[in-house]
Amino acid sequence: DIQMTQSPSTLSASVGDRVTITCRASQSISTWLAWYQQKPGKAPKLLIYKASSLESGVPSRFSGSGSGTEFTLTINSLQPDDFATYYCQKYNSDSPYTFGQGTKLE
Amino acid sequence: EVQLVQSGAEVKKPGESLKISCKGSGYSFTSYRIGWVRQMPGEGLEWMGIINPGDSDTRYSPSFQGQVTISADKSISTAYLQWSSLKASDTAMYYCARHLNSGWIYDTFHMWGQGTMVTVSS
Repeated sequence: DIQMTQSPSTLSASVGDRVTITCRASQSISTWLAWYQQKPGKAPKLLIYKASSLESGVPSRFSGSGSGTEFTLTINSLQPDDFATYYCQKYNSDSPYTFGQGTKLE
Repeated sequence: EVQLVQSGAEVKKPGESLKISCKGSGYSFTSYRIGWVRQMPGEGLEWMGIINPGDSDTRYSPSFQGQVTISADKSISTAYLQWSSLKASDTAMYYCARHLNSGWIYDTFHMWGQGTMVTVSS
């Protein structure tokens, strides 16, 4: 199975900062990668799909990039509502559609 | 409004069986695959498997194959996750989620249920 590794596991930042979270796949997954945001006690929310496509209704300060095995989620001008845990997920042709272990933004 | 509504929290004893549900509304239930995701207390997300409600074609993660059964009843727009013999280690929040694109086999999760907390304790 393809493994997904996120870094860092925890990220400390302040309102207004620009932050980047990295997700690496153990094999190429082209651009079949999604990013989710999860707040405590809530279901995950889709932010980015196909590595760089912004889900409808998601603020434009969120952006995704990458292909193959290395991907990044960038949040520009961090807002108070953005402090949460972020997960990447691969969904190429080989199931399982594994999630990364998560990055807690605090 | 497109939504997935899951059944309520469950408290069970080890060895008991359980079936939790996920009802879709506001869209064509048979057109989008539905998956299940486990989140153990304080832990990350684990993809368990998906089902095509149209023909009940099901795919499981190797980690969950044989441990759970995913099914669907398209007549009532409901997907299910069931256990025949629960273990304490099955204690977790379970989410159902719908694929983003109609008909796609390989896809991400666009719409999520609110989650069902399953607690297994003697």
